[in-house]
Amino acid sequence: EVQLVESGGGLVQPGGSLRLSCAASGFTFSTYPMGWVRQAPGKGLEWVSTISGSTTKTYYADSVKGRFTISRDNSKNTLYLQMNSLRAEDTALYYCAKYFSVNSGSIFDYWGQGTLVTVSS
Amino acid sequence: EIVLTQSPATLSLSPGERATLSCRASQSVSSQLAWYQQKPGQAPRLLIYDASNRAAGIPARLSGSGSGTDFTLTISSLEPEDFAVYYCQQRISWPPTFGGGTKVEIK
Repeated sequence: EVQLVESGGGLVQPGGSLRLSCAASGFTFSTYPMGWVRQAPGKGLEWVSTISGSTTKTYYADSVKGRFTISRDNSKNTLYLQMNSLRAEDTALYYCAKYFSVNSGSIFDYWGQGTLVTVSS
Repeated sequence: EIVLTQSPATLSLSPGERATLSCRASQSVSSQLAWYQQKPGQAPRLLIYDASNRAAGIPARLSGSGSGTDFTLTISSLEPEDFAVYYCQQRISWPPTFGGGTKVEIK
């Protein structure tokens, strides 16, 4: 059974940093691209970032480019999102999501339950 | 970026009725469109990919159609568990984008 468990969210002041983690199990983690998708309170879904299985390729939404860094440790089956220079508009529930297949493009077939990031003074 | 517009924003129907949800893209996405369902307090769930392919475990009463810029998600006969918010999402170009969602509520 595929499981994705996020952690690391919390309350942080504007300008601060957080590192989110996503522990994966139930599939060959290193094979699949992984992504982060966020959802502001009461709002819709927004793709944030994607990383290839081999870690050689990373992609970012314009809204987070230069501030967030996605990475993965395939030996630990863990995905990360380092978030710096946080802004109030980054407040959201952050989901870790697995790609449907290696070459499927951005189809997310499994999602974690999310970790809440609140940016406020 | 490709903008996806979903309509209506809210659909009020009774169990057993047919639901028709629309997603329109600002430019062609070919058939590279997915649909997700989200219930309160839960993560999104993949329903349909590539416009018309049901994901594993998705019942046949849910179906997707369309290509290019106009897509439809149809639920042939609403069950109690179908009342939720539905999102479309394109994958043909970066960044992947989602529609604003359609809430299917009990009338």
